[in-house]
Amino acid sequence: DADVTQTPRNRITKTGKRIMLECSQTKGHDRMYWYRQDPGLGLRLIYYSFDVKDINKGEISDGYSVSRQAQAKFSLSLESAIPNQTALYFCATSDSGGPNTGELFFGEGSRLTVL
Amino acid sequence: AQSVSQHNHHVILSEAASLELGCNYSYGGTVNLFWYVQYPGQHLQLLLKYFSGDPLVKGIKGFEAEFIKSKFSFNLRKPSVQWSDTAEYFCAVISIYNQGGKLIFGQGTELSVKP
Repeated sequence: DADVTQTPRNRITKTGKRIMLECSQTKGHDRMYWYRQDPGLGLRLIYYSFDVKDINKGEISDGYSVSRQAQAKFSLSLESAIPNQTALYFCATSDSGGPNTGELFFGEGSRLTVL
Repeated sequence: AQSVSQHNHHVILSEAASLELGCNYSYGGTVNLFWYVQYPGQHLQLLLKYFSGDPLVKGIKGFEAEFIKSKFSFNLRKPSVQWSDTAEYFCAVISIYNQGGKLIFGQGTELSVKP
C-alpha cells in the first residue's frame, strides 16, 4: 500500500458543485500539504498544515478550504468548483522542520475536471 | 518574493546525449535543495537532495547535481540519457532557518528522450 493515499484518483464534476479530495498517510509525519499542478506552472501550494491544530494558506488558497481531521488525514475542499480549478492535485507529507527539512513524499495525485 | 526558476521548459535529446537542466533560486540564506522527477502518469519522486557538505550530490539513475552557492544554482546533470529518463523534472528549494518555510518548486522542465 502507498504511504500517502489520495481519493478519488479521478473526478469529473460540474461548475458549482462541492468537491472534497481526501488524503491519508501512514508515514507518521506531522506536516501535510496540498499542491496543484498545471502545465507550465509547476506545483503551487494551496494549503499546508504543520500539525493537527495548524492550518496555513499557501500561494493560491482562494476557492479552496482544508480540514486536518487527524495527524494522518488532510482533506481539500472546493466549495463551489469552477472550470479553472481543473488540475492535478497532489497531497504530500514531510517530517518536522530541522536541518534536513524539505523532503516531501507525494500521493499518486487526484485529477479533477470541472465542466 | 522567494522564487525558483528553471530556464528550460522543454528539452528534447537523443539517447546517449548529455543532459544539464538549469535551476536558480532567489533565497539569500541557507537552503536545502531538491530535484524531483515525475514520470508520465505518475507522482513526484525524489531524484536527489542537497542538505550540506559536498556540493556535488549524486542521486538515483545516474543523475547528479551541483550546488554553486555564489550563483544560487543547483543544476541537474546526467552524462548519458536514456529513453526511460523521459519525464518532467522539478527543482525545489526551502529555507531551513525559516520555521514557517515551505518548499518552493520551479515551473518544471519536460525532458523528452528520443530512442
